[in-house]
Amino acid sequence: QVQLVQSGAEVKKPGASVKVSCKASGYTFTTYDFNWVRQATGQGLEWMGWMNPNSGNTGYAQKFQGRVTMTRNTSISTAYMELSSLRSEDTAVYYCARGAISDYWGQGTRVTVSS
Amino acid sequence: DIQMTQSPSTLSASVGDRVTITCRASQSITSWLAWFQQKPGKAPKLLIYKASSLQSGVPSRFSGSGSGTEFTLTISSLQPDDSATYYCQQYNSFPTFGQGTKVEIK
Repeated sequence: QVQLVQSGAEVKKPGASVKVSCKASGYTFTTYDFNWVRQATGQGLEWMGWMNPNSGNTGYAQKFQGRVTMTRNTSISTAYMELSSLRSEDTAVYYCARGAISDYWGQGTRVTVSS
Repeated sequence: DIQMTQSPSTLSASVGDRVTITCRASQSITSWLAWFQQKPGKAPKLLIYKASSLQSGVPSRFSGSGSGTEFTLTISSLQPDDSATYYCQQYNSFPTFGQGTKVEIK
């Protein structure tokens, strides 16, 4: 069965970076894009970007351009999302999701940015 | 960016009611629209893709329709388990979500 398992919660100071992982299983890793979506507490869903795990090609929402980097390690079927220059407004749950239609989601990773 | 506008923001209905949520796109997205259900503390769950295709395992009381800029999600007979927030998302270009519709059971 398809599963996306994300790394655990993180607490970071303003200005730091965070790297969230998303390990895929139950299908061929390189056949579906990854989307990354975040959700601040009590707020809606916000798309951050996508990555093609076969080519490594990426596309980022303009809001995150210059601060986000999406990568992958195909040997361990894992996608990564790194967000830098963190500020308090980046406190949120971060999700990975599979494919253009986001048919499978990770469980979410809570990132807290606090001094 | 394509803006997605959902209405209503919240709705309260009784078990067995027919419920409709509307999503409007700021420009045509043909049929590249998905609907998600999210319960508190959980990841979103895909219900509908390509505007009207029911995701495997999703109850048939959920249906989607529309094309271009106007779309609807319908729950034909509301059940207690349907209490959740629903989001539309366009994926015609870089994806964007609607602001969500919270569905409450009376």
